[in-house]
Amino acid sequence: DAMVIQNPRYQVTQFGKPVTLSCSQTLNHNVMYWYQQKSSQAPKLLFHYYDKDFNNEADTPDNFQSRRPNTSFCFLDIRSPGLGDAAMYLCATSRGDSNQPQHFGDGTRLSIL
Amino acid sequence: GESVGLHLPTLSVQEGDNSIINCAYSNSASDYFIWYKQESGKGPQFIIDIRSNMDKRQGQRVTVLLNKTVKHLSLQIAATQPGDSAVYFCAATPSGNTPLVFGKGTRLSVIA
Repeated sequence: DAMVIQNPRYQVTQFGKPVTLSCSQTLNHNVMYWYQQKSSQAPKLLFHYYDKDFNNEADTPDNFQSRRPNTSFCFLDIRSPGLGDAAMYLCATSRGDSNQPQHFGDGTRLSIL
Repeated sequence: GESVGLHLPTLSVQEGDNSIINCAYSNSASDYFIWYKQESGKGPQFIIDIRSNMDKRQGQRVTVLLNKTVKHLSLQIAATQPGDSAVYFCAATPSGNTPLVFGKGTRLSVIA
């Protein structure tokens, strides 16, 4: 089945130690998104790629970076994780035309020690 | 911009009853709306969507109603089952390819 796959499902890192989260898709969608979701809250968009065009949300901290080397893969890099970055990180994809649903992976839960 | 809010953070219903989850949005230019279901430890799962040129859309056991006059959206689940227990999010997009704006979520608990 075509899907959005996030690895790993659980990630533990140390305060200040860089960490990379991965997302891959088999849907061949143009758009890929990264969201941060904290407990009992709605997903918060960090940034998205439309093909290779990167779109950063205004309030996304500089600590968060992203790479999209090809259509299928997208990475979230957190350069110096703080305790406040502990959250679920969700990757989603959508087709590039208007009014299309986003398809989500099951997320990576990031813990900071 | 757009802001999306759900009316109730929690909803408890008896198994077999119908559930109604409500949502309000602020931007009258929003033209695409989605309901997602999120179970514990999983990503949001698409349930049903509706475009602004419609006021009702039905799926399997679910119906979405859109009232553009009062900027209100609702999700109706018929014959609610224990497997429907989850957090439900509504989301809207102001226009075109603008990313979705999510509401805060309603936790639905089904009492057996």
